[in-house]
Amino acid sequence: AQSVTQLDSHVSVSEGTPVLLRCNYSSSYSPSLFWYVQHPNKGLQLLLKYTSAATLVKGINGFEAEFKKSETSFHLTKPSAHMSDAAEYFCVVSTASPGGKLIFGQGTELSVKP
Amino acid sequence: EAEVAQSPRYKITEKSQAVAFWCDPISGHATLYWYRQILGQGPELLVQFQDESVVDDSQLPKDRFSAERLKGVDSTLKIQPAELGDSAMYLCASSPRGSRQARETQYFGPGTRLLVL
Repeated sequence: AQSVTQLDSHVSVSEGTPVLLRCNYSSSYSPSLFWYVQHPNKGLQLLLKYTSAATLVKGINGFEAEFKKSETSFHLTKPSAHMSDAAEYFCVVSTASPGGKLIFGQGTELSVKP
Repeated sequence: EAEVAQSPRYKITEKSQAVAFWCDPISGHATLYWYRQILGQGPELLVQFQDESVVDDSQLPKDRFSAERLKGVDSTLKIQPAELGDSAMYLCASSPRGSRQARETQYFGPGTRLLVL
């Protein structure tokens, strides 16, 4: 069965400093992995996705993630945090079901201090 | 840019009452999903439709929840009777036809925040 574990429930950074949100996955096959962002009282927005092409995936708003099979990790990074990045971030894996069922992690809340 | 529409955005009801949520997916999207997101947790799939057919409703509490997508376009999720534990955000998502990669990418609506008193 597929699953994801987000290693930090809350991360706090200062504006202009790097962001690292950690995610480990478990999958019996080569997975599709995603990062979604959710701002307060809003729906989820796709940041980026990995689908077995390049292992370094670039997303929107300056975010990127690197797929490391040897470490079963898919960490999300950004070189310089902005106040508007404060939100909840979800690491997601797609199952092998025909409809592409998504399994969400518990989420990491990112706070950005001025 | 096309978006998934949901209504209402907020709903307050008393336990034992009936509530209904509506979702209009992005035009042409074949697959529609309903998720429940409890505060502080990630979303969990309740039901998945492919056109008008249910593909997966294994996590739907069928004694009180029902969902339909009669014409394969918009969808309604109903709870009757509502319980205190149903308080959550209910998210709708849709994905297009095509390759596996296309079908895996889900587009989410803004959600309906339900509070059961």
